[in-house]
Amino acid sequence: NAGVMQNPRHLVRRRGQEARLRCSPMKGHSHVYWYRQLPEEGLKFMVYLQKENIIDESGMPKERFSAEFPKEGPSILRIQQVVRGDSAAYFCASSPASLGAGDRNQPQHFGDGTRLSIL
Amino acid sequence: QQPVQSPQAVILREGEDAVINCSSSKALYSVHWYRQKHGEAPVFLMILLKGGEQKGHEKISASFNEKKQQSSLYLTASQLSYSGTYFCGTEASNTGKLIFGQGTTLQVKP
Repeated sequence: NAGVMQNPRHLVRRRGQEARLRCSPMKGHSHVYWYRQLPEEGLKFMVYLQKENIIDESGMPKERFSAEFPKEGPSILRIQQVVRGDSAAYFCASSPASLGAGDRNQPQHFGDGTRLSIL
Repeated sequence: QQPVQSPQAVILREGEDAVINCSSSKALYSVHWYRQKHGEAPVFLMILLKGGEQKGHEKISASFNEKKQQSSLYLTASQLSYSGTYFCGTEASNTGKLIFGQGTTLQVKP
C-alpha cells in the first residue's frame, strides 16, 4: 500500500498521559499536514511540515502539542498531559514537493486517521 | 476564516442532481474538494485554481468564481456511492495550508 500510513488507528489514553501519533507520507511526498476532526465537524488545520522544518503551526494549541518530521522516519504529533477535550480523530495528509514555477498546486492525500480517546 | 458551505445537508434519490456551494470572505488561490464517508479518510476529488477553471471527475464537476470567491460542486445523475460528507478546503495563497468548511452531508437513496 503506497498510501499515507497512520498508526495507531485507535489510541486510548488516561488524562495526564502522553499520546504519540505517527504518520508516514506517501512515497515521494515530503510535505506533511496534520488535521483534527471532532465528531460531526470539519477538519481543523493544525500544522504543516516539511522534512526537518515546521512551515506553519498556526493551528496548533500553544501548550502540550508539538509536531516533528525528522529527516528519517515518520512525522510525529505529540500531545502531552492529555485532557478529555483532546479526544478526536487526527488525520495526516501528504503532498509532493513543489516542482517549481510550473507546478500549480498539488492535492493532499489523507491517511485513515488515528482515533484518540481520553478516559 | 472558515469557508461557508451550503446546504448543510442534502437528500437525493438515485439519478437526481445536486449542487454544493463553498463561499469565502477572503481572496482565494485555490479550492480543494474532498468526500468523506463515515469513519474513513477524506478522499480527494479535485482542485480548482483561481482563473475560473471548471474541472470534471466522472459525473462530478466543479467551478470557481474568482469574483465571488465561491466554488460550486456539481453532482449529476447521483449514485448511491456518492453518499458522504463533502468538504471544501480553501487556500488563500500558495502556502499549502487548507482551511476546510463545515461540510455538506449528502445522502443518496435508492
